[in-house]
Amino acid sequence: EVQLVQSGAEVKKPGQSLKISCKGSGYSFTNYWIAWVRQMPGKGLEWMGIIYPGDSETRYSPSFQGQVTISADKSISTAYLQWSSLKASDTAMYYCARKPDSRSYSDYWGQGALVTVSS
Amino acid sequence: EIVLTQSPGTLSLSPGERATLSCRASQSVSISHLAWYQQKPGQAPRLLIYDASSRATGIPDRFSGSGSGTDFTLIISRLEPEDFAVYYCQQYDNSVWTFGQGTKVEIK
Repeated sequence: EVQLVQSGAEVKKPGQSLKISCKGSGYSFTNYWIAWVRQMPGKGLEWMGIIYPGDSETRYSPSFQGQVTISADKSISTAYLQWSSLKASDTAMYYCARKPDSRSYSDYWGQGALVTVSS
Repeated sequence: EIVLTQSPGTLSLSPGERATLSCRASQSVSISHLAWYQQKPGQAPRLLIYDASSRATGIPDRFSGSGSGTDFTLIISRLEPEDFAVYYCQQYDNSVWTFGQGTKVEIK
């Protein structure tokens, strides 16, 4: 069974750093892309970027380039999304999602990780 | 960047009725690059339709997708109670994804 299991909810202060994770299982982790999607409270879905764990090729949405870093450790089938200095506006639910190579959609999604940034 | 505009913003319908959701792109989108997702409160999105008209695994046949170019449609032929949710279209172009702003299908 394909599963993407994300790390738990986080509460941070502005200026702190954070790294959240997404662990894939039940499939060949290196042969599928992992995308990250933001959903701010009460709002829609925003694509942040994507990584191919097989070779770590990474692409970012222009809106998120330079704001976050996406990485992966294929040895433990885990992808990461990290911030070096959080802002209150980073408060959101963050989803990881699997994308088959050469396809345009995400067929499996993680359960989401709620990040709250508040002083 | 291609912008997707969904309409209407909210659709108020009764169970058993037909729902027609629209997704319009600011530029032409390849049909192999257009997908639809369903999201219920407190849940992650779920893939419904890919390649504009192909149902994902386990999706009932009351869901259908169509369209090409800049105009795409998701139809739910007879609404079931579990279909009341928010629906998003998504496109992929030049290594960038974008989502529409969503259509909420609510119980009338």
